[in-house]
Amino acid sequence: EDQVTQSPEALRLQEGESSSLNCSYTVSGLRGLFWYRQDPGKGPEFLFTLYSAGEEKEKERLKATLTKKESFLHITAPKPEDSATYLCAVQARDTDKLIFGTGTRLQVFP
Amino acid sequence: DSGVTQTPKHLITATGQRVTLRCSPRSGDLSVYWYQQSLDQGLQFLIQYYNGEERAKGNILERFSAQQFPDLHSELNLSSLELGDSALYFCASSVSGTVNQPQHFGDGTRLSIL
Repeated sequence: EDQVTQSPEALRLQEGESSSLNCSYTVSGLRGLFWYRQDPGKGPEFLFTLYSAGEEKEKERLKATLTKKESFLHITAPKPEDSATYLCAVQARDTDKLIFGTGTRLQVFP
Repeated sequence: DSGVTQTPKHLITATGQRVTLRCSPRSGDLSVYWYQQSLDQGLQFLIQYYNGEERAKGNILERFSAQQFPDLHSELNLSSLELGDSALYFCASSVSGTVNQPQHFGDGTRLSIL
């Protein structure tokens, strides 16, 4: 069964304290792995798509990496405005639907 | 702003009732997806439409149905509502259902069953 597990469930960081979020997955043929950011009361906002092991993508203070079994979202020198829930999702080769993890709730304090 | 519009933002109703949630996809997007997000679970895929035709079904209850109209907007109909149907319902759209395009989400409809 296709499955996504994210850890930790919650993460509290001081402003400037870098860290990583983990997304472990099992899927019958990976078509793509997606990272989204979700703010309270809003829908998920697309951040990155990764397609194959070894791929990396960056956007401002965020960097996403992919291996054959997991993905990491590295946050460098976070700011309070980075506080949000970060969602990981996979798309299997034979379907368009996204299978989501339950997310990591990130809080960054000044 | 993702470009995906969902109405209404909030809906409060009683058990046994029927409601309709509406979604307008981003301009040019042919695929529409519906997801349910409840407190104890992550986003769960319900159903996908592509250019007016049903493309895929997830764990959608028989009491729920959806359709996509010629102008590509979509509606999710929920009937015989139960307390457990209280959740956030999100619509997403993408350019095509056949290539690796990200799905862009609306801000959801919060459904509360009293």
